[in-house]
Amino acid sequence: GAVVSQHPSWVICKSGTSVKIECRSLDFQATTMFWYRQFPKQSLMLMATSNEGSKATYEQGVEKDKFLINHASLTLSTLTVTSAHPEDSSFYICSATGLAVITDTQYFGPGTRLTVL
Amino acid sequence: ILNVEQSPQSLHVQEGDSTNFTCSFPSSNFYALHWYRWETAKSPEALFVMTLNGDEKKKGRISATLNTKEGYSYLYIKGSQPEDSATYLCAPWAGNQFYFGTGTSLTVIP
Repeated sequence: GAVVSQHPSWVICKSGTSVKIECRSLDFQATTMFWYRQFPKQSLMLMATSNEGSKATYEQGVEKDKFLINHASLTLSTLTVTSAHPEDSSFYICSATGLAVITDTQYFGPGTRLTVL
Repeated sequence: ILNVEQSPQSLHVQEGDSTNFTCSFPSSNFYALHWYRWETAKSPEALFVMTLNGDEKKKGRISATLNTKEGYSYLYIKGSQPEDSATYLCAPWAGNQFYFGTGTSLTVIP
């Protein structure tokens, strides 16, 4: 199957700093990328849907000014957590898929563990 | 928000045993359901995409069935091996997104 990389795999930062997470589809063109967040013992929760060349669609309760998503190419989407605070500490994971979002296979990155001190 | 329930939450089986788990979801407005296998420190791996009521999919020793009328999908593993140890996630599509269950954590004891 296709490979999606995510970088960094873990990051520790101080409160108030910004952190950028990259999600790359290495061997296919990802028309759509999803960003999820997972808190301990909870399920993956969708934060936003990102389509190449257009603005991301954020889920209710996710602050678009805090979680900046850029999907500038068919192989790269970035999530920037701006002015991170301890409550933003979580596991962030991206997935990439093709045009038929509902039925195409989703390929996931390995995730990023963010800890904000 | 769609309520997706997976049971059991965790499962320990002996090597060679067969096992199955359940994914329950609201049956209205069903479009598709995805199953994933997620090993620790790795990316979730897609197992099956299921769309039609009565669908049965198979990949090696793993198979899945789908009942959209009653809102459930079963995942079966025949002759479990230690390498099957992972968390198995299901994710039906509803509205405009996938909704993930919390998964079934399977440990296969050698």
